[in-house]
Amino acid sequence: AQSVSQHNHHVILSEAASLELGCNYSYGGTVNLFWYVQYPGQHLQLLLKYFSGDPLVKGIKGFEAEFIKSKFSFNLRKPSVQWSDTAEYFCAVNAENYGQNFVFGPGTRLSVLP
Amino acid sequence: EAGVAQSPRYKIIEKRQSVAFWCNPISGHATLYWYQQILGQGPKLLIQFQNNGVVDDSQLPKDRFSAERLKGVDSTLKIQPAKLEDSAVYLCASSLQGNQPQHFGDGTRLSIL
Repeated sequence: AQSVSQHNHHVILSEAASLELGCNYSYGGTVNLFWYVQYPGQHLQLLLKYFSGDPLVKGIKGFEAEFIKSKFSFNLRKPSVQWSDTAEYFCAVNAENYGQNFVFGPGTRLSVLP
Repeated sequence: EAGVAQSPRYKIIEKRQSVAFWCNPISGHATLYWYQQILGQGPKLLIQFQNNGVVDDSQLPKDRFSAERLKGVDSTLKIQPAKLEDSAVYLCASSLQGNQPQHFGDGTRLSIL
């Protein structure tokens, strides 16, 4: 069965610290990869996506993610976090060999201390 | 553009009662999804529609959950009868096509007493 894992349940950082959130998935073949963010009291929204091409993708608000096919990973990074980045972050995978359904990871809660 | 609309925002019912949620996707989005998000977990796909047809309902507990999208636009999700473990946020999302980024609604928070 498809599965998506996120390494950290809760990450606490100070402002200006660098961020890396891990995401791994369990199946081969062609995948479409996404990171979604849910700010407190708001709905899920797309941060960035990877379909093909350059494995380093840039998203909104200074976030980027790198697709490493050999490691089945799609880690999210930001060089310097802000207090406003406090949110829940979800990795999601759509594997074309498994139909069109999406599988979400369990999420990582990021708390940024001012 | 207007986002995905869901109602109600909150619902409290007793176990064994029935409940229904409504979703209106973004105009022109062919694909509609219902997710269940239990506290502390990621969203779990319950059902995916492409227009008015079901693409995937493999994780929908069909003995108690049902969903329809009769005219290929808005959709309803029903639970009958509800169980305590159904307490969750029910999210609706839509996308232009099946593998495109999804736009989420605010969700319906369901509490079962």
